[in-house]
Amino acid sequence: AQSVSQHNHHVILSEAASLELGCNYSYGGTVNLFWYVQYPGQHLQLLLKYFSGDPLVKGIKGFEAEFIKSKFSFNLRKPSVQWSDTAEYFCAVRNVNYGGSQGNLIFGKGTKLSVKP
Amino acid sequence: DAGITQSPRHKVTETGTPVTLRCHQTENHRYMYWYRQDPGHGLRLIHYSYGVKDTDKGEVSDGYSVSRSKTEDFLLTLESATSSQTSVYFCAITTGAYEQYFGPGTRLTVT
Repeated sequence: AQSVSQHNHHVILSEAASLELGCNYSYGGTVNLFWYVQYPGQHLQLLLKYFSGDPLVKGIKGFEAEFIKSKFSFNLRKPSVQWSDTAEYFCAVRNVNYGGSQGNLIFGKGTKLSVKP
Repeated sequence: DAGITQSPRHKVTETGTPVTLRCHQTENHRYMYWYRQDPGHGLRLIHYSYGVKDTDKGEVSDGYSVSRSKTEDFLLTLESATSSQTSVYFCAITTGAYEQYFGPGTRLTVT
């Protein structure tokens, strides 16, 4: 079965620290990759996406992610976090080769980020 | 926010009662989804729709049914609510660019 793994369940950082959240997926076909952010009490918002081309993608609020095909990874990074980045982050993958239910997004279980002021 | 609204936003109901949640979109997107979000489980797909009257099951469809009689509305029904269905329910749409956007969510408590 297709799966997405986010290895860090809860990350605690101080302001200005650098962030890297891991995301790995389980299948080798062509994929679309996404990171979503969910601020406390809110819905998921799209942070960035990768479909093709440059494997380093930049999103909103200074976030970026790098697609490494050989490692089936799409890690999220930010050079300097702020207290306002406190949220839960979800990686999601879509298998482009399939339609129907197998072409739907598969989400990781999320990583909670707490940034201490 | 892709013009997605959900109603109600909060609901408390008793075990065994039927519950219907509504998702409404204003931008004529073909694909609509219902997810549930639970701590430690992330988002899990319940059902999705790829057009009017066209629906299919997701990962956790047992105990849920859906209907889509109009492009703009996607209804999720719990025929007989159970405590295990206490959750936050999110509706989503997919744009033509394959980006998925979410509604504000419905917090359902089954007592």
